[in-house]
Amino acid sequence: KAGVTQTPRYLIKTRGQQVTLSCSPISGHRSVSWYQQTPGQGLQFLFEYFSETQRNKGNFPGRFSGRQFSNSRSEMNVSTLELGDSALYLCASSASTTDTQYFGPGTRLTVL
Amino acid sequence: QKEVEQDPGPLSVPEGAIVSLNCTYSNSAFQYFMWYRQYSRKGPELLMYTYSSGNKEDGRFTAQVDKSSKYISLFIRDSQPSDSATYLCAALNAGNNRKLIWGLGTSLAVNP
Repeated sequence: KAGVTQTPRYLIKTRGQQVTLSCSPISGHRSVSWYQQTPGQGLQFLFEYFSETQRNKGNFPGRFSGRQFSNSRSEMNVSTLELGDSALYLCASSASTTDTQYFGPGTRLTVL
Repeated sequence: QKEVEQDPGPLSVPEGAIVSLNCTYSNSAFQYFMWYRQYSRKGPELLMYTYSSGNKEDGRFTAQVDKSSKYISLFIRDSQPSDSATYLCAALNAGNNRKLIWGLGTSLAVNP
């Protein structure tokens, strides 16, 4: 089985721009979670989607949004980028909301 | 205070050493505890998953949970250079509003 894939792997944007990141879960997995990882804060939960519905949300501003499609692929969008949004964005998929999460390699976002 | 605290290290040991990695947590509602390993430029991968208190062994790895002191540990026996990575502990509460809460991760270097 193919693992979780994330595109693009690297992104460089400037302040004020917006960005869309994509995640394809493991085949058959219906739950997708997004995390932000920074050296100072570690892994922080952004949101979780299951069957196209947002099930859970972390404490991030409304500039961070996501969605999930009928094929379980997910996208997250960050609008009005700030320097502090520079981070590794990780996507994890699981068969259900209570199963083990499998992570993708992440998208490294740099905001200049 | 973060809900899950983990010493970021770095920790450097010679090959063959026994490694002890530790985390403390503050939320009594946590019932599931995980250890993930993250290599550079990769997403985290699940190493060990334990429920409530006790020990769990898998090859050279042993996970230990002490709920009375809110302390979780990962022991690596006969450490190898390939074990060099960042190790992240995570805790999960039961119920519908589940969120994985992460430690910052401990960077481990095993020197040949």
